[in-house]
Amino acid sequence: GQQVMQIPQYQHVQEGEDFTTYCNSSTTLSNIQWYKQRPGGHPVFLIQLVKSGEVKKQKRLTFQFGEAKKNSSLHITATQTTDVGTYFCAGKTSGSRLTFGEGTQLTVNP
Amino acid sequence: EAGVTQFPSHSVIEKGQTVTLRCDPISGHDNLYWYRRVMGKEIKFLLHFVKESKQDESGMPNNRFLAERTGGTYSTLKVQPAELEDSGVYFCASSHLTGGVNGAAGDTQYFGPGTRLTVL
Repeated sequence: GQQVMQIPQYQHVQEGEDFTTYCNSSTTLSNIQWYKQRPGGHPVFLIQLVKSGEVKKQKRLTFQFGEAKKNSSLHITATQTTDVGTYFCAGKTSGSRLTFGEGTQLTVNP
Repeated sequence: EAGVTQFPSHSVIEKGQTVTLRCDPISGHDNLYWYRRVMGKEIKFLLHFVKESKQDESGMPNNRFLAERTGGTYSTLKVQPAELEDSGVYFCASSHLTGGVNGAAGDTQYFGPGTRLTVL
């Protein structure tokens, strides 16, 4: 079945450093979504990428969808303590089910 | 607009007991999904309702799990009898779009706060 691999599993950074998490799917995706889960919270939708090679920005966050629609990345510039949490990618092929990556847990040292 | 709500927030039961989880989707959302996150691993799909019909239940782990959505509003997920490996956080999500363009804004899934289930 479809698998979505996400790396790294953990990332510790100093406040102000950049952070990137990567996702790779075993199959071509129709779209990919990114979620953030704060400690003790629930996944909160960040963004959806649909087009091959698409790049979207939300303030300090930059999301990319690969040309082959099998990989994606989330880059945070100049991390802040409010960025702490687990970032999940979730891919969709046919139908509506999301296949999640294992998530990258980000900690930011002030 | 109220978000997805789930009840209870926590449940601690003994092996062999029954537990029923409830999810109230965002009003007007035809699509309702159940997911589970076990032991800090990835969030795994369980099943998908469109209104009251089960669209995809391929992620249900076994026949101890029963999901219903009578009337197409709220949904329940019953685990009977519960086993130790059922422990985890059960998330419900809902989305609005039905039969629309994939990737459209209405396709976004909004997650509830989850129910943390502990089976002892």
